[in-house]
Amino acid sequence: DAMVIQNPRYQVTQFGKPVTLSCSQTLNHNVMYWYQQKSSQAPKLLFHYYDKDFNNEADTPDNFQSRRPNTSFCFLDIRSPGLGDAAMYLCATSALGPSGAYEQYFGPGTRLTVT
Amino acid sequence: AQSVTQLDSQVPVFEEAPVELRCNYSSSVSVYLFWYVQYPNQGLQLLLKYLSGSTLVKGINGFEAEFNKSQTSFHLRKPSVHISDTAEYFCAVSRSGGSNYKLTFGKGTLLTVNP
Repeated sequence: DAMVIQNPRYQVTQFGKPVTLSCSQTLNHNVMYWYQQKSSQAPKLLFHYYDKDFNNEADTPDNFQSRRPNTSFCFLDIRSPGLGDAAMYLCATSALGPSGAYEQYFGPGTRLTVT
Repeated sequence: AQSVTQLDSQVPVFEEAPVELRCNYSSSVSVYLFWYVQYPNQGLQLLLKYLSGSTLVKGINGFEAEFNKSQTSFHLRKPSVHISDTAEYFCAVSRSGGSNYKLTFGKGTLLTVNP
């Protein structure tokens, strides 16, 4: 089945220690997104790639970076995690459908704990 | 810009009872509308979507929603809920046409189905 895969599902890192979260997709979608979701809140878009073009949200901290080496893979790098960065990180993908809409497909998420 | 208001943060119901989760949106342009469900420690799964055509849309797991343009609403309904429907539900909107690959989410409604 075509899908969005996130690894690992659970990640524990230390305060200030860089961490990388991974996302891969078999949908061949050209748009990939990273969201941060804190407890009982809606997902918050951090950035997205439209093909190779990187688009950062205005309020995304500089501590968060991303790489997309090819269509299938996208990485989220947190350079110096703080306690406030503990959250669920969701990867999503989309492509233009026949109706003209971009329908987003989400991965299962990575739960990040910062100790 | 678009905005989404989910009027109820929590909705408790008994098993086999009907439920309606309310969603209102604001936009100066035409929109596409989506409902997503999120089970604990999981990603978001698309329940249903309104892109065009019939204003009554049916989705997975017995859910349906009706698009009401005059009231700018897209309420989610199910005639008889199960324990397994306990989850967080998010209403989301994107603009139709143009660069519509970004979603605006509501804050979510936690549906709790009690025996």
